[in-house]
Amino acid sequence: DVKVTQSSRYLVKRTGEKVFLECVQDMDHENMFWYRQDPGLGLRLIYFSYDVKMKEKGDIPEGYSVSREKKERFSLILESASTNQTSMYLCASSKTDFLETQYFGPGTRLLVL
Amino acid sequence: KNQVEQSPQSLIILEGKNCTLQCNYTVSPFSNLRWYKQDTGRGPVSLTIMTFSENTKSNGRYTATLDADTKQSSLHITASQLSDSASYICVVSVRRGSQGNLIFGKGTKLSVKP
Repeated sequence: DVKVTQSSRYLVKRTGEKVFLECVQDMDHENMFWYRQDPGLGLRLIYFSYDVKMKEKGDIPEGYSVSREKKERFSLILESASTNQTSMYLCASSKTDFLETQYFGPGTRLLVL
Repeated sequence: KNQVEQSPQSLIILEGKNCTLQCNYTVSPFSNLRWYKQDTGRGPVSLTIMTFSENTKSNGRYTATLDADTKQSSLHITASQLSDSASYICVVSVRRGSQGNLIFGKGTKLSVKP
């Protein structure tokens, strides 16, 4: 079974703090994704990566950056957290083709005060 | 504009009853359509995937249909159980060369009551 893990289930941070969200997958998947999910808006793609050290912007990249130094690990970075970044963050991975089934982690619920 | 619309937004049914969730899409060029189930506080899990040539796919008590002509899909749940309480998300894939894009619906929140 594919396993996607995220470093924290819940996080509370203060405005202006730098926040790191970590995601690890154990199935040698090429593609990894970061989404945020807000009530009434559904899932929105922040960034994705199709290879080590490669990254592409999704639909809402502003205020975020990512890092993929190893194939199994994809990090989302909030350089200076703001209250409008309070959300549920979901990491996902897929095997090779971008359109294959994505396997999601359990999510990190981030509260920025 | 590529869009995926789901209805209803929310639904309450009694345990043991059947229900049908709807997904309409305006996406081109269509590649495939998936239904995901998301339990509260968890990540989505894939239930079914259908390509253009498939018009029905089952996974246990879940049956998805696809009408590519009308651009509609439905997810039918038979003999509902309390564990079916979740959000169900319709996702349509668009292929663009070697890459692609996923268009997410906003989901239908299903509550199954005893």
